[in-house]
Amino acid sequence: GAVVSQHPSWVICKSGTSVKIECRSLDFQATTMFWYRQFPKQSLMLMATSNEGSKATYEQGVEKDKFLINHASLTLSTLTVTSAHPEDSSFYICSARDRGKGESSPLHFGNGTRLTVT
Amino acid sequence: GQNIDQPTEMTATEGAIVQINCTYQTSGFNGLFWYQQHAGEAPTFLSYNVLDGLEEKGRFSSFLSRSKGYSYLLLKELQMKDSASYLCAVIDSNYQLIWGAGTKLIIKP
Repeated sequence: GAVVSQHPSWVICKSGTSVKIECRSLDFQATTMFWYRQFPKQSLMLMATSNEGSKATYEQGVEKDKFLINHASLTLSTLTVTSAHPEDSSFYICSARDRGKGESSPLHFGNGTRLTVT
Repeated sequence: GQNIDQPTEMTATEGAIVQINCTYQTSGFNGLFWYQQHAGEAPTFLSYNVLDGLEEKGRFSSFLSRSKGYSYLLLKELQMKDSASYLCAVIDSNYQLIWGAGTKLIIKP
């Protein structure tokens, strides 16, 4: 089945530093990848849509200069949380859709990254 | 606006059957997904419905009625490991995925 690998699984960083999270589709190609954030006991919130070879599309209220997204290839997207602050502590999850299976095919999720900013 | 409603929390007994409902109002419809999410983990895909009717997959079944904007996920022979949140998501006419807030299912022995 389709596998999405996300690294790191968890990270603790100091306030003001930057953290990079990688999302890879291991056995399929993804023109589009999605980045979500989830706070405890809350639903998934879409942050941005990452498009291979072009700029990401950010949801309203998400700062594009703070959450840098790069989708350099059909199998890799990265999210960099710049100048992280404690309020950025959350569970970040990436997902991808197999481009060979159409826009109604299921999203496959990475295992998520738990970010704690101290 | 676009809206997906599902109960916040449900409780059921091990070995029993539970039905989790989802109603939606979206701009167009291109399919409905159910995902399972255990606490602290990412969602995993359970089912996809795009036509009316029942899709059965082992202990889990999912039903769709497009005219009523309604779906349910049916879980049979409940096991303790089924304790999780169940997320309903709809693909709208722009192929955007609209997520429900999820239903937390608690299984009691």
